[in-house]
Amino acid sequence: AQSVTQPDIHITVSEGASLELRCNYSYGATPYLFWYVQSPGQGLQLLLKYFSGDTLVQGIKGFEAEFKRSQSSFNLRKPSVHWSDAAEYFCAVGAGAGNQFYFGTGTSLTVIP
Amino acid sequence: GAGVSQSPSNKVTEKGKDVELRCDPISGHTALYWYRQSLGQGLEFLIYFQGNSAPDKSGLPSDRFSAERTGGSVSTLTIQRTQQEDSAVYLCASSIGQGSSYEQYFGPGTRLTVT
Repeated sequence: AQSVTQPDIHITVSEGASLELRCNYSYGATPYLFWYVQSPGQGLQLLLKYFSGDTLVQGIKGFEAEFKRSQSSFNLRKPSVHWSDAAEYFCAVGAGAGNQFYFGTGTSLTVIP
Repeated sequence: GAGVSQSPSNKVTEKGKDVELRCDPISGHTALYWYRQSLGQGLEFLIYFQGNSAPDKSGLPSDRFSAERTGGSVSTLTIQRTQQEDSAVYLCASSIGQGSSYEQYFGPGTRLTVT
């Protein structure tokens, strides 16, 4: 069965430091992969997505993610975190031609001065 | 343009009462999803509408939950005889096409509290 694991429930980083949020998925075929961000009281906003091609994808707000098939991972990175990046981050897998999406439980990011 | 809107933003209800949650998708989006987000949990798929096709109700947790979509646009999620475990944020999303390759646009959610 398809599933998404975000092993880190909560991460704290200093402003200006680099960031990596982990995501592992379980899916039999090549997945559609997404990262969403949810600010307090807001809906989810798409940061980036991977369907095929270049395994390093660029997104909004300076985020990028790398698809590694051998590790079943799609980790999110940012070289320098800003205080406004504090939010909840969700990784999701789209199940091919179907309409099902599977979300991880999220990683809460705190940014300290 | 206008995004996905949901109403109310907050709803407090007594156990046993019925509630209706509304979602207005982006105009022209044929697909509409409902999710439930409980504290510390990821998003739990509830139901999916695509055009005039029969909805995918496979995620509804019990027969107290139902949803409809009128005219292929506005959707209402109804929870009958609410229970405390129904307390959660209910998110609606829409997308322009069918299938998981299409980006979903999310509304701000309705926070439901059952007392």
